[in-house]
Amino acid sequence: AQSVTQLGSHVSVSEGALVLLRCNYSSSVPPYLFWYVQYPNQGLQLLLKYTSAATLVKGINGFEAEFKKSETSFHLTKPSAHMSDAAEYFCAVSWGKLQFGAGTQVVVTP
Amino acid sequence: EAGVTQFPSHSVIEKGQTVTLRCDPISGHDNLYWYRRVMGKEIKFLLHFVKESKQDESGMPNNRFLAERTGGTYSTLKVQPAELEDSGVYFCASSQGARSTDTQYFGPGTRLTVL
Repeated sequence: AQSVTQLGSHVSVSEGALVLLRCNYSSSVPPYLFWYVQYPNQGLQLLLKYTSAATLVKGINGFEAEFKKSETSFHLTKPSAHMSDAAEYFCAVSWGKLQFGAGTQVVVTP
Repeated sequence: EAGVTQFPSHSVIEKGQTVTLRCDPISGHDNLYWYRRVMGKEIKFLLHFVKESKQDESGMPNNRFLAERTGGTYSTLKVQPAELEDSGVYFCASSQGARSTDTQYFGPGTRLTVL
């Protein structure tokens, strides 16, 4: 069985500060991991995905994530938060169908 | 290119009524998925179509839910009769392939409220 756990249902970050969203996975086989973002009143949009080609994955809007097998983690980071990053972020593991974490709501303060 | 579209965006119905949700996938995508997010819970898989065939319907909660994809294009998800616990946001997604590495593209969702 595969699953993901997102630590922190709400994160508040100052504009210009580092954004760090945590995702840990549990999988008996090499996982394929995704980060999606949902902006208000919109659908889920793919930020980036890990498909075993490279452990450091760069995505859209300045986000990146690093796959660490030893820590079973796939944390999402962005060096400098922007007001437009306010959204809900979802980590997911794929085995054809997606299995999502609970989501992390990000608030960006001026 | 148009993305995944869903209709309606919102639906408010009484318990016991019937509601039909529609999803139009990206043109050419054979794979279509339905997911649901109940308030305060995780987004959960409901089912997967490959063209017009149900590939995996293991996430369907009960027989009050009926999904169809006639002709392998758009899909409908009917809830009959609706119960209070069916309230939530229903997402549709589509992809070209069904491998674990294939990206699923999501629609904006239908927010269903059952009173």
